[in-house]
Amino acid sequence: AQTVTQSQPEMSVQEAETVTLSCTYDTSESDYYLFWYKQPPSRQMILVIRQEAYKQQNATENRFSVNFQKAAKSFSLKISDSQLGDAAMYFCAYRGDGDDKIIFGKGTRLHILP
Amino acid sequence: ETGVTQTPRHLVMGMTNKKSLKCEQHLGHNAMYWYKQSAKKPLELMFVYNFKEQTENNSVPSRFSPECPNSSHLFLHLHTLQPEDSALYLCASSQDMKGPREQYFGPGTRLTVT
Repeated sequence: AQTVTQSQPEMSVQEAETVTLSCTYDTSESDYYLFWYKQPPSRQMILVIRQEAYKQQNATENRFSVNFQKAAKSFSLKISDSQLGDAAMYFCAYRGDGDDKIIFGKGTRLHILP
Repeated sequence: ETGVTQTPRHLVMGMTNKKSLKCEQHLGHNAMYWYKQSAKKPLELMFVYNFKEQTENNSVPSRFSPECPNSSHLFLHLHTLQPEDSALYLCASSQDMKGPREQYFGPGTRLTVT
């Protein structure tokens, strides 16, 4: 069975600094998708970034980028120039190609220090 | 906003009550999901519907009864709940096509069972 592990329950970063959130996953499939979702306090969960396993190039969305290491089954999220609005719970997630469901990690709560 | 709405946003109910949660998506998606989010627990997938057909029931107690009358609407009927059912209930939708099929989440219903 596939699993997603986020080993950092909480992290803090100074405003304007860079922070990296870790995620590892376990799967025997070769085709799959990885996601990072953000859930701000009392607000909707939104998709931050997505990576297709068949793509070697790391996905980037403005200040958010990933380090996708397929052999190591690692999918970390880097947030550059952290802003107060980045404070949220971040979930790493996996979907196998053809699967109905997404498997989520337990989340990392990110605090931004002014 | 993600294009997925949920009502009510907050609900307090007694253990003998019957209530329903409603989810509506305006994205033209064909798959819809119910999740339970409790404090200090990972997101728990409850049900998956694809083209109005239930494709996943993740061993959810029968006191939770889903209904999907069409691809845009999803309900969760609640009856004789227990205090441990208090949680944030999230609805999500995705496109049912080959590809990443990332999920778009609603704001959730905060349920308190007294």
